[in-house]
Amino acid sequence: KQEVTQIPAALSVPEGENLVLNCSFTDSAIYNLQWFRQDPGKGLTSLLLIQSSQREQTSGRLNASLDKSSGRSTLYIAASQPGDSATYLCAVRPGSGGGADGLTFGKGTHLIIQP
Amino acid sequence: GAVVSQHPSWVICKSGTSVKIECRSLDFQATTMFWYRQFPKQSLMLMATSNEGSKATYEQGVEKDKFLINHASLTLSTLTVTSAHPEDSSFYICSATGQVTEAFFGQGTRLTVV
Repeated sequence: KQEVTQIPAALSVPEGENLVLNCSFTDSAIYNLQWFRQDPGKGLTSLLLIQSSQREQTSGRLNASLDKSSGRSTLYIAASQPGDSATYLCAVRPGSGGGADGLTFGKGTHLIIQP
Repeated sequence: GAVVSQHPSWVICKSGTSVKIECRSLDFQATTMFWYRQFPKQSLMLMATSNEGSKATYEQGVEKDKFLINHASLTLSTLTVTSAHPEDSSFYICSATGQVTEAFFGQGTRLTVV
């Protein structure tokens, strides 16, 4: 059974710092990996999607990497801003279903950016 | 990204009643829709997968007779929590996937059973 772990569980840093969020998964047979942002009591906003054949994806100040063989992904946030404060979720889609299966989520990293 | 609309965003119901939650893909055809549940400070857990026109596939431990899922069209799926009890109180959220296997999520529904 796939398990997704996110470290750290919580992180508080001053505005302007660069930071790295970590995600690991136990079964490397994934179809893709997705990073989401969740604000309190809200739904999920997709940040980056990395297909299993890709090594990284970038969007603005965000960069996500994927090392499928070792079961790891990182989300790099550059020049953090208070508006980045949220819970960041990592999720993997299993490779066996051709992309039609549901996601397995980590518990998230609760990020606070101090003004 | 694509837009998925979920309604209602919150609902309070009495124990023993049923509640229906709607999930719509607004600008794409969702071949597959997923329903998740999130308890406080826990990760999202997949409840069921539904494909248009066919019966939903439920994850182990999820009662199919309690959580009725209908996916009648490529843009609409509904989750009905039947005979709700306080332990069913949770955050329910749907996700839709089309030809591109990126998952797009609704805003979620906070269900409180009193």
